[in-house]
Amino acid sequence: QVQLVESGGGVVQPGRSLRLSCTASGFTFNTYPMHWVRQAPGKGLEWVTVISYEGSNKYYAESVKGRFTISRDNSKNTLYLQMNSLRAEDTAIYYCARDREILGAGNFDYWGQGTLVTVSS
Amino acid sequence: DIQMTQSPSSLSASVGDRVTITCQASQDISNYLNWYQQKPGKAPKLLIYVASNLETGVPSRFSGSGSGTDFTFTISSLQPEDIATYYCQQYDNFPLTFGGGTKVEIK
Repeated sequence: QVQLVESGGGVVQPGRSLRLSCTASGFTFNTYPMHWVRQAPGKGLEWVTVISYEGSNKYYAESVKGRFTISRDNSKNTLYLQMNSLRAEDTAIYYCARDREILGAGNFDYWGQGTLVTVSS
Repeated sequence: DIQMTQSPSSLSASVGDRVTITCQASQDISNYLNWYQQKPGKAPKLLIYVASNLETGVPSRFSGSGSGTDFTFTISSLQPEDIATYYCQQYDNFPLTFGGGTKVEIK
């Protein structure tokens, strides 16, 4: 069965960096675009970024552009999110999600359990 | 960015009631709209894709309709396990955007 397991969350000071990972299993990872979606405590869902199945195309929300970088290692079935210059408003649960369509249009059919990132001094 | 306006933000209904949630896009998104269910402490779950298609394994009491800018999500007969927050999401354009959510409770 499809599984997505995020890791790497924690407490970090403003301005510092953190890298999240999402390990996939149960499907052919290198044929699916992947997304990160976040949810601030008690708030709604916010799309963060997407990467194409082969890693060549990436899009970002304005709120993270220039600070966050999405990448993937298809040989390791793993998705990454490098987060730099973190701000208090980046505090959220970060979910990785699979896109059901090869174009990566934004249909999230499987989600991980999420990893909490807290940015605080 | 395309704004998604969902209403109501919360509702309380009895078991067996018909529940309707609306979602309005700030511009025409054709039928590029999904609906998700999120239970407390859990990840969201895709229920409806392309506005009206039921995801595999999702009970038939859930349905969606609409196109253009106005969309509707319906639970035909509310069950206790349907207690959750429901979100609409457009994928006509990047950035992908979600509605603010509708929290459904049992009366």
